[in-house]
Amino acid sequence: EADIYQTPRYLVIGTGKKITLECSQTMGHDKMYWYQQDPGMELHLIHYSYGVNSTEKGDLSSESTVSRIRTEHFPLTLESARPSHTSQYLCASSGGTFGYTFGSGTRLTVV
Amino acid sequence: AQTVTQSQPEMSVQEAETVTLSCTYDTSESDYYLFWYKQPPSRQMILVIRQEAYKQQNATENRFSVNFQKAAKSFSLKISDSQLGDAAMYFCAYRSLQNYGGSQGNLIFGKGTKLSVKP
Repeated sequence: EADIYQTPRYLVIGTGKKITLECSQTMGHDKMYWYQQDPGMELHLIHYSYGVNSTEKGDLSSESTVSRIRTEHFPLTLESARPSHTSQYLCASSGGTFGYTFGSGTRLTVV
Repeated sequence: AQTVTQSQPEMSVQEAETVTLSCTYDTSESDYYLFWYKQPPSRQMILVIRQEAYKQQNATENRFSVNFQKAAKSFSLKISDSQLGDAAMYFCAYRSLQNYGGSQGNLIFGKGTKLSVKP
């Protein structure tokens, strides 16, 4: 079944740790996106990609980085996590004009 | 640049009743898509309904329907026979078709409306 997967679902980690949030899709979509969202709040686009080796920063400045080495994989990395990074991170993909398919999200807590 | 406005941060509806969520947008383009997404608490964001701007007929999906007023740049969502499972954040979104290939083709989201359903 075509879908988009995010791991881990929940992550609690100490300040200063390096973390990678995984996002993979099996739909062959060219476009992929990362959003940051505090619970019950609006979505903020932090990164997007239009294909392999393409990455762009979104509307909200973020200390995270992304890579797109394979079409299906779009991981997000924080080199040194801080409490201000505590949030939910949503990954999405798009293969046409219709809309996005979203993953289940990763809820990150930095202590 | 296009903008999407959801003027109701929170709404409440009685179970089995009907509720309408408002969305307005600003654009100078003629070709675009509009969407309503639903985000239940701690669950995946899903597409509820989609409207192509060139279609005059309002989209309908079971209990969900839209009132698309292109001239007024309005795109409201009506939920009929509300159920407890309808409780969620609802996001209105716009997508350009004229500039689909670039960043302007990214979805533009409103800030969301939190819908509560009372039993």
